[in-house]
Amino acid sequence: EIVLTQSPGTLSLSPGERATLSCRASQSVTSNYLAWYQQKPGQAPRLLIYGASGRATGIPDRFSGSGSGTDFTLTISRLEPEDFAVYYCQQYSSSPRTFGQGTKVEIK
Amino acid sequence: EVQLLESGGGLVQPGGSLRLSCAASGFILNNNAMSWVRQAPGKGLEWVSLISSSGVGTYYADSVKDRFTISRDNSKNTLYLQMNSLRVEDTAVYYCAKTSGYYDYWGQGTLVTVSS
Repeated sequence: EIVLTQSPGTLSLSPGERATLSCRASQSVTSNYLAWYQQKPGQAPRLLIYGASGRATGIPDRFSGSGSGTDFTLTISRLEPEDFAVYYCQQYSSSPRTFGQGTKVEIK
Repeated sequence: EVQLLESGGGLVQPGGSLRLSCAASGFILNNNAMSWVRQAPGKGLEWVSLISSSGVGTYYADSVKDRFTISRDNSKNTLYLQMNSLRVEDTAVYYCAKTSGYYDYWGQGTLVTVSS
């Protein structure tokens, strides 16, 4: 089973700042089969990024994904008020599909 | 517009059973793989089960294997999760999700509480 470790656990930033979230895999994620989700309190997760760097439909271009192998990054170029949420990475290169434990982006 | 609507959650005693439903609209269920993902209160996301687009393949997390059964009714465009021998640790919000490896559409979730 691929274990995904996200860091930091919590990121305290102000609107307009840049957010950089990390997701590290215990073994290589083949074909860059890595996705990112955003979840707000009381809501279902929403797909942001698939294939490590592809933006899902309707996702603003301030969200970008990068990385390969075992190290992946989600970057939010300029935080908007609606971006404060919990973010999860997920791998779909091997079974079972696994998620990271999440990074909370909170208002400083 | 793709929509997924879960139902069937509730309070059940340990050892009991529940069947969750996920009504799909805006797409044809049997052309797509579908999954159940759960989230315990205050915790992260955990994949539970997947049914392949053909319906022939079904897969389960070790934590629910031999207790949960995923299925679908193509005539009703509805996905199901039969949950037997429920444990306290199965308490969670259960989401159904359209699956392309990643989960591109999610329902709003249904809460299952296992408690005496």
